[in-house]
Amino acid sequence: AQRVTQPEKLLSVFKGAPVELKCNYSYSGSPELFWYVQYSRQRLQLLLRHISRESIKGFTADLNKGETSFHLKKPFAQEEDSAMYYCALKGNKLVFGAGTILRVKS
Amino acid sequence: EAGVAQSPRYKIIEKRQSVAFWCNPISGHATLYWYQQILGQGPKLLIQFQNNGVVDDSQLPKDRFSAERLKGVDSTLKIQPAKLEDSAVYLCASSRNDGRQKFSGNTIYFGEGSWLTVV
Repeated sequence: AQRVTQPEKLLSVFKGAPVELKCNYSYSGSPELFWYVQYSRQRLQLLLRHISRESIKGFTADLNKGETSFHLKKPFAQEEDSAMYYCALKGNKLVFGAGTILRVKS
Repeated sequence: EAGVAQSPRYKIIEKRQSVAFWCNPISGHATLYWYQQILGQGPKLLIQFQNNGVVDDSQLPKDRFSAERLKGVDSTLKIQPAKLEDSAVYLCASSRNDGRQKFSGNTIYFGEGSWLTVV
């Protein structure tokens, strides 16, 4: 079975502070992991995927197979990062976590 | 390129009534998905089409939900009869993946969603 867990419903940080959105997964096969973001009044969109090993808008995420985690990180939060973030796992289907609201305060 | 289009954006119906949602995927995208997103939860896959064939409908409540993708392009999702717990956002998404790739790596693009309230 595929499962994605995002333990925090809400993460509130000050502008300029580091951000880490946690994601843990469960899957017996070789996973593809993604982070999706939904800004206010916008559609859900892909932020980054583990196979690309890229940094998007200053965000990075490293797949840790030993800890079955794919945490999203950014060293310095900006107000425009405020949004809902979903971790997703693609095994035989794309499964989403419940999401974490990131609120960046000025 | 034009994004995934969905209609209607908002719908309010009474329980036991029926409703239908329409989705037009991005041109050339072989795979189409319908997700249900209940308030406070992540999107849940209802059904996945590859062209006009069903790949996965294991979480589709088939006693009341149905979906079709005639001609492998547009798709409709129908609920009949609706229940209060069907109140959710119904997201349509598409990807280019034609199913032949073992490791897809294909981006899934989402529509803006159709908001359903059952009263």
